[in-house]
Amino acid sequence: DTEVTQTPKHLVMGMTNKKSLKCEQHMGHRAMYWYKQKAKKPPELMFVYSYEKLSINESVPSRFSPECPNSSLLNLHLHALQPEDSALYLCASSQVSRDSDYGYTFGSGTRLTVV
Amino acid sequence: AQSVTQLDSQVPVFEEAPVELRCNYSSSVSVYLFWYVQYPNQGLQLLLKYLSGSTLVKGINGFEAEFNKSQTSFHLRKPSVHISDTAEYFCAVSRNNAGNMLTFGGGTRLMVKP
Repeated sequence: DTEVTQTPKHLVMGMTNKKSLKCEQHMGHRAMYWYKQKAKKPPELMFVYSYEKLSINESVPSRFSPECPNSSLLNLHLHALQPEDSALYLCASSQVSRDSDYGYTFGSGTRLTVV
Repeated sequence: AQSVTQLDSQVPVFEEAPVELRCNYSSSVSVYLFWYVQYPNQGLQLLLKYLSGSTLVKGINGFEAEFNKSQTSFHLRKPSVHISDTAEYFCAVSRNNAGNMLTFGGGTRLMVKP
């Protein structure tokens, strides 16, 4: 299995809703990432998990709450979002290495619309 | 800290013509270099990477890139493009011996015309 699977593919939510994005990989990668991508822009890093521990939080508002329940799963819990949070949310995974870099494997993303 | 500049936001080209997408980086330490492609409504797919060794790197879909340390460049080339190559292309760097933290360039939209 060489894929990162993200669900759902599309999500429309109101500003008072609570929803979760899910990401799963079975490649044995021990680093997992959440990125936010606005239209015609590069991905922006949100969170990094390394060995299931949060290692980087790029000053993301608390209305986004990540969770890594095990080495294969990564969730992003959403609450009280704003319309400007509408974007493509990408999950990625990679091997952890200080001596090399094998690149990331990205999921296809969740297209989020906040109304 | 490192940074990546993709000099062209859009590159229009006719089908079967050659193309070069430019990427320059700045870093005070050695880096690893990557090119990713993003098709509409998709995630990013790794095209190729330079870690060490030969400066000419071959990737998927007939793409190749050349690492030029003196010019701090990592330009992507393809000798003959297809309509299906229309996509957004991102150059990215990560620092050697610092884990796997990627810094992306702003992206180049390759538009292949019939």
